[in-house]
Amino acid sequence: DARVTQTPRHKVTEMGQEVTMRCQPILGHNTVFWYRQTMMQGLELLAYFRNRAPLDDSGMPKDRFSAEMPDATLATLKIQPSEPRDSAVYFCASGIPSGQVNTEAFFGQGTRLTVV
Amino acid sequence: DQQVKQNSPSLSVQEGRISILNCDYTNSMFDYFLWYKKYPAEGPTFLISISSIKDKNEDGRFTVFLNKSAKHLSLHIVPSQPGDSAVYFCAASALLQGAQKLVFGQGTRLTINP
Repeated sequence: DARVTQTPRHKVTEMGQEVTMRCQPILGHNTVFWYRQTMMQGLELLAYFRNRAPLDDSGMPKDRFSAEMPDATLATLKIQPSEPRDSAVYFCASGIPSGQVNTEAFFGQGTRLTVV
Repeated sequence: DQQVKQNSPSLSVQEGRISILNCDYTNSMFDYFLWYKKYPAEGPTFLISISSIKDKNEDGRFTVFLNKSAKHLSLHIVPSQPGDSAVYFCAASALLQGAQKLVFGQGTRLTINP
């Protein structure tokens, strides 16, 4: 049963602390997305990768957010230092098996981040 | 810069009637459109999609309509069922630098009343 796995599911941290969210994409998918769910923006695209290379991270606050794919089985989203306004649910999604175009992306269950 | 817009934050429909969810987009480069459904505490799940070369795609109770000239798409659910109560996200996709960039709207919360 292939699925996108995100850890942790919940994270409560104090303002100023570093937060790392992890995502294991579906094997064989070459595109990985990071989204943040907010009331005003809906699902806001933060960054996405193709074959582990970052393509667009213009949606991320550059001074505190960073996204990487150390290998094909792991994507990370880091916030340092975290702020209360970063509190949201962060979703990872993967899609586009090699050789295909225009298919759906599959989402993980999200990481609910609370910064106090 | 919201490239995909869902202007109705919420919608309430009687069970058995038709639910119509709307979505507008601004970028002409989008060529593939999707609808996702989201329940609380879960990730969004894919529902139905449509390519820009079509104007309609149907899957059971769900039909998506695309009006390219108006840059508008809609999702019709008929008949609506209580289990359809969820947040629905519209998404648009463009192939950029060899990868599919997927942009979502703000979502519409659909409530089906018994």
